Amino acid sequence: KAGVTQTPRYLIKTRGQQVTLSCSPISGHRSVSWYQQTPGQGLQFLFEYFSETQRNKGNFPGRFSGRQFSNSRSEMNVSTLELGDSALYLCASSPGGAAKNIQYFGAGTRLSVL
Amino acid sequence: TQLLEQSPQFLSIQEGENLTVYCNSSSVFSSLQWYRQEPGEGPVLLVTVVTGGEVKKLKRLTFQFGDARKDSSLHITAAQPGDTGLYLCAGAANYGGATNKLIFGTGTLLAVQP
Repeated sequence: KAGVTQTPRYLIKTRGQQVTLSCSPISGHRSVSWYQQTPGQGLQFLFEYFSETQRNKGNFPGRFSGRQFSNSRSEMNVSTLELGDSALYLCASSPGGAAKNIQYFGAGTRLSVL
Repeated sequence: TQLLEQSPQFLSIQEGENLTVYCNSSSVFSSLQWYRQEPGEGPVLLVTVVTGGEVKKLKRLTFQFGDARKDSSLHITAAQPGDTGLYLCAGAANYGGATNKLIFGTGTLLAVQP
């Protein structure tokens, strides 16, 4: 079974631009979560999608948004980029059910904002 | 706000030594996971503990969940250079709920010197 795939692996943007990151979950997983990882704040929860609906949201500004498609693939968008948005963005998928808290992570997208 | 504090933050040891990493919180979690993350990659799940007092062993790694489900420890026996990485604990934040939000610990960076 293929793992969680995130594209692109690396991105360089400038302040004010917007960016879209993509995540393909493990086949059969319907839950997709997004996390931001920085050296100062560690891993922080952004949001979770299940069956195309946002089921939970972290404490991030509205510039961070996401969506999930009918095939469970998910995208995350950040608008009006700020220098502080530079981070590793991680996507994780979960099988749900009894294993709902077990998450499988992709390798991440490294975003640099200049 | 639910927080997970890990200690120590950094650990540099020689091959063959033993070590223990701690993960503490004032909150109760329904389950707790331990992950290891290597540079440029996403976290990889090592173990999930769900019952207070539970002890799980994975080769040279021993994981324990506190009786009150607020803390956990990871003990590595005879550490090897391949154990090098960032160790993260993560608690499931929605007890009994359907969502998959994980609260991650602050991380312990382990370096095992040959």
